[in-house]
Amino acid sequence: AQTVTQSQPEMSVQEAETVTLSCTYDTSESDYYLFWYKQPPSRQMILVIRQEAYKQQNATENRFSVNFQKAAKSFSLKISDSQLGDAAMYFCASMDSNYQLIWGAGTKLIIKP
Amino acid sequence: DSGVTQTPKHLITATGQRVTLRCSPRSGDLSVYWYQQSLDQGLQFLIHYYNGEERAKGNILERFSAQQFPDLHSELNLSSLELGDSALYFCASSVGGTGKETQYFGPGTRLLVL
Repeated sequence: AQTVTQSQPEMSVQEAETVTLSCTYDTSESDYYLFWYKQPPSRQMILVIRQEAYKQQNATENRFSVNFQKAAKSFSLKISDSQLGDAAMYFCASMDSNYQLIWGAGTKLIIKP
Repeated sequence: DSGVTQTPKHLITATGQRVTLRCSPRSGDLSVYWYQQSLDQGLQFLIHYYNGEERAKGNILERFSAQQFPDLHSELNLSSLELGDSALYFCASSVGGTGKETQYFGPGTRLLVL
């Protein structure tokens, strides 16, 4: 079974600084997809970024980028120029062969003004 | 706004009761997924429907059932409710059923069992 591990329960960063959230996963699949979702206090689950495992290029969405290390099974999220609105729980997830998302435990991101 | 709607937003009920949660997927999406988010178990996949047919089951209890109707909306039925069923229930939708599409989440239904 696939597993996703987020080892940082909480991270804090100064506004405008850069922060990296860690995620490791374990899968036997050759073709899979990885995601970062954001859950603000409203509890809405919002897609941040997605990475296809067959793509070597790291995905980027504006201030959000990933460092995908396939051999190490690592999928970290970098947030540049952190803003107050980035404060949220961040969940790393992988998609298994049944098309279900397997979730990490989440990292709470605190932005210090 | 993801385009996925869920009703009701909040639900308070008593142990032993039965409730129905409703989800309308984004326009054009054929797949609906249900997830449960609880404090002790985190986020868990419950079940996936594609174009009216069940595609995959996760950690869904026998007391829970779901279906997807011809208009593609889905309902999750929870019966014989227990205190431990209190959680946030998410519905997500995606375009197809290949598993390669991104899942977009609704705002969730917060269920409190007293």
